[in-house]
Amino acid sequence: DAGVTQSPTHLIKTRGQQVTLRCSPKSGHDTVSWYQQALGQGPQFIFQYYEEEERQRGNFPDRFSGHQFPNYSSELNVNALLLGDSALYLCASSFGGRGSYEQYFGPGTRLTVT
Amino acid sequence: AQSVTQPDIHITVSEGASLELRCNYSYGATPYLFWYVQSPGQGLQLLLKYFSGDTLVQGIKGFEAEFKRSQSSFNLRKPSVHWSDAAEYFCAVGSNAGNMLTFGGGTRLMVKP
Repeated sequence: DAGVTQSPTHLIKTRGQQVTLRCSPKSGHDTVSWYQQALGQGPQFIFQYYEEEERQRGNFPDRFSGHQFPNYSSELNVNALLLGDSALYLCASSFGGRGSYEQYFGPGTRLTVT
Repeated sequence: AQSVTQPDIHITVSEGASLELRCNYSYGATPYLFWYVQSPGQGLQLLLKYFSGDTLVQGIKGFEAEFKRSQSSFNLRKPSVHWSDAAEYFCAVGSNAGNMLTFGGGTRLMVKP
């Protein structure tokens, strides 16, 4: 049973560029949440997708957007990258949308903005 | 707004010694509480969770945590630490508006041989 997978593992971008990160949820899960973890800090909630819609959003600007596909996989897009966007981006999956509290995390994508 | 505080940024214990990691939360209703562990370069692994009921919860890898409403705390304990327990530990509270998790800043555990 595959767990949560994320791609790519690492990437390096330049300020002002755009980036897309991908996540496949654990088998049987239908809800995907994205978190940003800056170095030395705890993860911060970006947003959650369920039934292909954004259901909840944390305190992140509109430069951060996402999408969920019919197979429940998800993408996180960040436009106009800033140096401060450098972080580990974690995807978490769960079942049942807002009614589920047990989240399984992927290994993350390390984004470096230069 | 909900928040989580982990007062200890770093803790060093000797292998075989007992461990307690502190977590204090701020939340208006009955909280949903979690402890996660993160090894270097890895994602987060759920150790245990508290939703309701018995205030002492057992988790994986020999960890347990106790919910104390009067102290707004959810401290993680282990009676005997192993070298493989060295990692970063995060306490989190879940929102009753969904399952958005709010994490503390983490405690880095080092284990001396």
